[in-house]
Amino acid sequence: EPEVTQTPSHQVTQMGQEVILRCVPISNHLYFYWYRQILGQKVEFLVSFYNNEISEKSEIFDDQFSVERPDGSNFTLKIRSTKLEDSAMYFCASSEALRASANYGYTFGSGTRLTVV
Amino acid sequence: KNQVEQSPQSLIILEGKNCTLQCNYTVSPFSNLRWYKQDTGRGPVSLTIMTFSENTKSNGRYTATLDADTKQSSLHITASQLSDSASYICVVSDFTGGGNKLTFGTGTQLKVEL
Repeated sequence: EPEVTQTPSHQVTQMGQEVILRCVPISNHLYFYWYRQILGQKVEFLVSFYNNEISEKSEIFDDQFSVERPDGSNFTLKIRSTKLEDSAMYFCASSEALRASANYGYTFGSGTRLTVV
Repeated sequence: KNQVEQSPQSLIILEGKNCTLQCNYTVSPFSNLRWYKQDTGRGPVSLTIMTFSENTKSNGRYTATLDADTKQSSLHITASQLSDSASYICVVSDFTGGGNKLTFGTGTQLKVEL
């Protein structure tokens, strides 16, 4: 079964440093997403990406965050200057083109645990 | 603001027993409702997906119901197994043209014991 792959599985970084979280979405999916889950809290939407541009973002996704699809397979989330409160599990997801899909396929990766110290 | 509320917050049942988890939502415009299973430290895994026109959807021992009028859903687990111990999350999707943005509930933490 196709998977969304995320690397690394765990990243520790010092406060103020830049981090890049990487994701390889399912190859025939067209919509890409980042979500985060602070320990003990619910999963929260960060951003959606379609046709090489951000289609929607949440209040959490401020100027410190950016996303990019640098080639045909990778989808990255960059945090420019990490803060302690950025420590969380970050999930990448991808979905099919909804208007053409009957089953709303939407798949999450296993996540990257980011720890800011 | 879109919200998804779940109950109970946590639940302990004996192996082999059935249980039902509840979900209430206020999400607009509604696209579909999903139930996910999330093991600790792992990504959510889809169990069922229902559109507004579907009342019930089954996936093995999992059966989800949806009442779009009252904006309520339930997930019924039959003949529970130890491996069912996980967080069960109700997730509602809205579609505003930018893709399926998911609003997550806080989850019901289920523990199945011998």
